[in-house]
Amino acid sequence: KQEVTQIPAALSVPEGENLVLNCSFTDSAIYNLQWFRQDPGKGLTSLLLIQSSQREQTSGRLNASLDKSSGRSTLYIAASQPGDSATYLCAVRRQTGGFKTIFGAGTRLFVKA
Amino acid sequence: SAVISQKPSRDICQRGTSLTIQCQVDSQVTMMFWYRQQPGQSLTLIATANQGSEATYESGFVIDKFPISRPNLTFSTLTVSNMSPEDSSIYLCSVLQGNNQPQHFGDGTRLSIL
Repeated sequence: KQEVTQIPAALSVPEGENLVLNCSFTDSAIYNLQWFRQDPGKGLTSLLLIQSSQREQTSGRLNASLDKSSGRSTLYIAASQPGDSATYLCAVRRQTGGFKTIFGAGTRLFVKA
Repeated sequence: SAVISQKPSRDICQRGTSLTIQCQVDSQVTMMFWYRQQPGQSLTLIATANQGSEATYESGFVIDKFPISRPNLTFSTLTVSNMSPEDSSIYLCSVLQGNNQPQHFGDGTRLSIL
């Protein structure tokens, strides 16, 4: 059974700091891994999608890496801003069982001005 | 990416009543899903909405409680039936164009049951 864990559960940093969010998964048989952002009371916004054959993806100040063999992914946020404050969720799509997406519980990030 | 419109955005309902949530996509999509997010928790898949046939429900969710329709490739509804306070959650519609594509979400419906 695939389980996705995100550490830390919450994080508070001063503006301008670089930070890393961690995601681990128990079954390496994944199709891809996706990072999302969720603002309070809102839906999920897709940030980055990494296919199982890829090592990393970048979009602006965001960089996501994937080490499938060790079951780990990191989301790196450079020069954090107060507008980055949100919950960040990691999700893996399984290769079997109907290609279902399994979500982590998320990391709640607060960037202080 | 697909633009997903979900209605209503929020509602407050009396226990024992039912509410239908609509999800409209601006383009045809292969797969549509309905998720529930209870307060402070992550997402749980309720069902996969299948076009022209009965939805595929996950363990713990049944058609009598959460009937789903998907009459075409751009529209789906989820009904939450005979609501109780335990049904208070955010309900999210999601679409997937292909297994190597990003999954996208609507803004969700925040449902409170009194």
